[in-house]
Parts: sequence; C-alpha cells; structure tokens
Amino acid sequence: AQSVSQHNHHVILSEAASLELGCNYSYGGTVNLFWYVQYPGQHLQLLLKYFSGDPLVKGIKGFEAEFIKSKFSFNLRKPSVQWSDTAEYFCAVIPANFGNEKLTFGTGTRLTIIP
Amino acid sequence: GAVVSQHPSWVICKSGTSVKIECRSLDFQATTMFWYRQFPKQSLMLMATSNEGSKATYEQGVEKDKFLINHASLTLSTLTVTSAHPEDSSFYICSASATSGFTDTQYFGPGTRLTVL
Repeated sequence: AQSVSQHNHHVILSEAASLELGCNYSYGGTVNLFWYVQYPGQHLQLLLKYFSGDPLVKGIKGFEAEFIKSKFSFNLRKPSVQWSDTAEYFCAVIPANFGNEKLTFGTGTRLTIIP
Repeated sequence: GAVVSQHPSWVICKSGTSVKIECRSLDFQATTMFWYRQFPKQSLMLMATSNEGSKATYEQGVEKDKFLINHASLTLSTLTVTSAHPEDSSFYICSASATSGFTDTQYFGPGTRLTVL
C-alpha cells in the first residue's frame, strides 16, 4: 500500500517569503498526485494535480509543484506567500493504474503567514 | 464547477440515536462518492467508497452496520451513523468523483461536525 509523508507539520513564514512544502510518497508504480488546501473554517479544495506529462504543475493562486520521480517527491512551492495563504495543506497520492485503490493523504502541513 | 455540498454542517445528538448526513454533487453527476473521517489535527481517513446503485466498500476497521452508506442517485449519497456514541464524534467529509475511476480528481464537501453527547 502507498503512504505519504509531509515532513513539515507547522511552517511559519512572513509575507513575501518563498514557500516550499515537502511531500514524499512510497509506491513502486505510477501514481497520480494531488495537493489540497483547507483554509480556516472551509472545506478541502484542490490546489493542483499531476497525472502525467510536464512534471512541473501549476495550480491556482500562484502555487506550483514539481514531481521528481527519482525522489518520490511532489513538493509544493510558491515564490511569494500572502497572509491569505494561511491554511492547512495536504498532499495525496493514488496509484494510477489500478482500480479500487484509495486516495491516501499525508498528515498535513499547517502554514501560518505573519503579516 | 464541481461543487459538493453536505447537510447538515453540524449536528449534536444524544448517545444511542441515529444521525443521517447527506452529500450532494451540485453541478455534476458523481459516479463515485467517498466518505472520510477527520480527527483533530490529523489527516483524512477514508471510511468507505460508494458507487451509484451498488453497495459501499468499507475500509478495514470501519463497521458497516454502524456507518450505513446509501448512494441512491448520481447526485446524492447519505451516511447514517446508527446508535451513535461519544467516540463517534468527529468531522465527517464526503467527496465525489465524476467517474468510476478511483484515480480521478475528488471534490470535497464542506464537512459535517458530529457531536454525540
């Protein structure tokens, strides 16, 4: 079964700082990868996803993520964060080629942006 | 597009009673719906997967007789917590996918906070 690790549990940054949140997964085959964001008091929203093609994926609100297959990583980046980016970020993975697999989430990273 | 709603957003009930939570896809047909449980400061844990018109598939450790799932139409799935107890208090979240492929993107509802007294 696959698993997902998000090493940073809580990240605190000042506005305009650059952001990189780590996500590593363990699975030997092809995967689909997702980043979801949960703003305070709101539901999970899809930030971006990678299924195939260009490993550098651009999402909403200026976020991007790079899939590095050799490192089993899918780190989330943003060059300049804003206070409104304060939220919980979840990385998720699912095997791409099999049915009846489940979407596995990491434990999440809480991002706090200081104005 | 791809909006999923849940009702109610929060519910408080007495121990021993049953609670029904609805999950609706508002602007697409959800071939597959998923039910998750989220504990405070933890990630989402998949409880069960349901396809329209068929029985739900429960994850290991989830009591199917306690958490009844019905996916009667392509836009509605319900989760009924039967004989609820305080340990069932949690945040329940549904998601929906437009295809039967488990690998497709899931769109999440806002969640339902259940408190059992």
